[in-house]
Amino acid sequence: AQSVAQPEDQVNVAEGNPLTVKCTYSVSGNPYLFWYVQYPNRGLQFLLKYITGDNLVKGSYGFEAEFNKSQTSFHLKKPSALVSDSALYFCAVRDWGNSGYSTLTFGKGTMLLVSP
Amino acid sequence: NAGVTQTPKFQVLKTGQSMTLQCAQDMNHEYMSWYRQDPGMGLRLIHYSVGAGITDQGEVPNGYNVSRSTTEDFPLRLLSAAPSQTSVYFCASSTESRGGYGYTFGSGTRLTVV
Repeated sequence: AQSVAQPEDQVNVAEGNPLTVKCTYSVSGNPYLFWYVQYPNRGLQFLLKYITGDNLVKGSYGFEAEFNKSQTSFHLKKPSALVSDSALYFCAVRDWGNSGYSTLTFGKGTMLLVSP
Repeated sequence: NAGVTQTPKFQVLKTGQSMTLQCAQDMNHEYMSWYRQDPGMGLRLIHYSVGAGITDQGEVPNGYNVSRSTTEDFPLRLLSAAPSQTSVYFCASSTESRGGYGYTFGSGTRLTVV
């Protein structure tokens, strides 16, 4: 089975500073990777995806992610953090169910706290 | 443009009771799935469906049942609730059954089993 790991339970950053939320993956074949964000008491929202092509993927709300095949990483980044970016962030990877259909496997999540 | 609608938003059950969590989407998505979210464990897949009449088990299917009679609806049934099923449940839908692209999530159902 495919998997992703988010090594940090929480990331703290000051507003205006760059932020990075880490994700590493373990897959067989080419990875399809995703980032989602969850604000308090809300469902998850899609931020961005990597399927193929450029290693730097741009997404919603000024976020981007860098795919690094040699390091099997897909870190989420933003040049200048906002207090409103404070949320729970999930990395995810395309996986395969028993019947051969694709599913999405999530990491455990990283809480991002941006201080004023 | 409702997206994915889950009902109820909150529910308290007694051990042994059964109930159905409702999920409906109005985007004509072929793919729907149910996840549970527990602290420190992320989201875990319970069941999913790639179209009407087609369902499959995910990572944690025990104690749950699903069916998909229409494209729009994908209810999740708890057969005999247990405290271990206390969780937040999310339904998601997507247009891509083979790519897992861009899931749209509902706002969740917070279930407590006492």
